[in-house]
Amino acid sequence: GAVVSQHPSRVICKSGTSVKIECRSLDFQATTMFWYRQFPKQSLMLMATSNEGSKATYEQGVEKDKFLINHASLTLSTLTVTSAHPEDSSFYICSAHTRTGDTEAFFGQGTRLTVV
Amino acid sequence: EDQVTQSPEALRLQEGESSSLNCSYTVSGLRGLFWYRQDPGKGPEFLFTLYSAGEEKEKERLKATLTKKESFLHITAPKPEDSATYLCAVPSYNQGGKLIFGQGTELSVKP
Repeated sequence: GAVVSQHPSRVICKSGTSVKIECRSLDFQATTMFWYRQFPKQSLMLMATSNEGSKATYEQGVEKDKFLINHASLTLSTLTVTSAHPEDSSFYICSAHTRTGDTEAFFGQGTRLTVV
Repeated sequence: EDQVTQSPEALRLQEGESSSLNCSYTVSGLRGLFWYRQDPGKGPEFLFTLYSAGEEKEKERLKATLTKKESFLHITAPKPEDSATYLCAVPSYNQGGKLIFGQGTELSVKP
């Protein structure tokens, strides 16, 4: 299957600082990537849809200014958690589709963010 | 409204004890149903895509089937390494590839 690489896998940061998470499609170009958040023992919650060369589309209730998404190339999307607080601690996962309009999605390894 | 419901929430099996996981879905127009496996602290790993009722796919001890209302993931003679959370998802009909996930079934296989 297609490979999506997410980095870092774990990060610990101090409250008030910003953290950037990268999501790369290694062997294909992805015009659309998705960012999810997952709480313990719960399913994935879609945060936003990242579109190459345009603004991201955020799900209802997700703060655009706190979760900044940049999709500057066909193989890279980044999620920046700004002014992080302990309640932002979570597992963040990205996914990408292998073809425009194709619905099959491949996921990154996830990033465990801990804000202390 | 597009919706996916999985049952049971948790399933404990003895090694070799076969069983099935259920995924019920409601979607305006089915463009595929996906099964994923997720290990703790990892991203979901793609298992199967099913597109039409009657379709079946197999991979090792896993077999996925699809009807017009639900999908089953059959696990034959499971081993402890099959322990994981299994997620099913369908793409939303009119929201550009957005996946609607079920809550997942946490499978534990004891030796």
